[in-house]
Amino acid sequence: EDQVTQSPEALRLQEGESSSLNCSYTVSGLRGLFWYRQDPGKGPEFLFTLYSAGEEKEKERLKATLTKKESFLHITAPKPEDSATYLCAAITGGGNKLTFGTGTQLKVEL
Amino acid sequence: GAGVSQSPSNKVTEKGKDVELRCDPISGHTALYWYRQSLGQGLEFLIYFQGNSAPDKSGLPSDRFSAERTGGSVSTLTIQRTQQEDSAVYLCASSDGSGANVLTFGAGSRLTVL
Repeated sequence: EDQVTQSPEALRLQEGESSSLNCSYTVSGLRGLFWYRQDPGKGPEFLFTLYSAGEEKEKERLKATLTKKESFLHITAPKPEDSATYLCAAITGGGNKLTFGTGTQLKVEL
Repeated sequence: GAGVSQSPSNKVTEKGKDVELRCDPISGHTALYWYRQSLGQGLEFLIYFQGNSAPDKSGLPSDRFSAERTGGSVSTLTIQRTQQEDSAVYLCASSDGSGANVLTFGAGSRLTVL
């Protein structure tokens, strides 16, 4: 059974304090690894898709990387507006459904 | 439309009643998904539509849950004889079916079963 595990469950950072969120996956035939951001009371919002080990993608203060077993979401010099829950998801084989992790709840304080 | 629209945004019902949740996907998106998000849990896949067909309904938790999609657009998720454990946020998402599988989510319908 495909499994996606995220850590930590919650992370509190000071503004400007860089850190990384982890997403480890145990799936057969990874076709894509997705990162989403979810704000309270809203649906998840797409950030990145990574397709192969070694791939990196960046957007503002966020950079996502992928290895054969895990993905990292690096947050550089975060700001309070980066506070949200970050979800990763995997799509595998010939299917069309995304399997999500339980998310990391990030809070960035002044 | 500009985004995925879901209604109602909030629904409170009594145990044993039936509920219908509606999803209007982005115009032209051929793929539509329903997920369920319970407190402290990840998103749980329920069903996937391609056009009006549901090639993957493996996530529906019981025969009390059903979904349909008409005209390749609007979808309705129906829960019969609701139970307290059905309380959750039900999220709908659509994608353009290009194979990139980038899902655009609605804001969800929060269901509370008393």
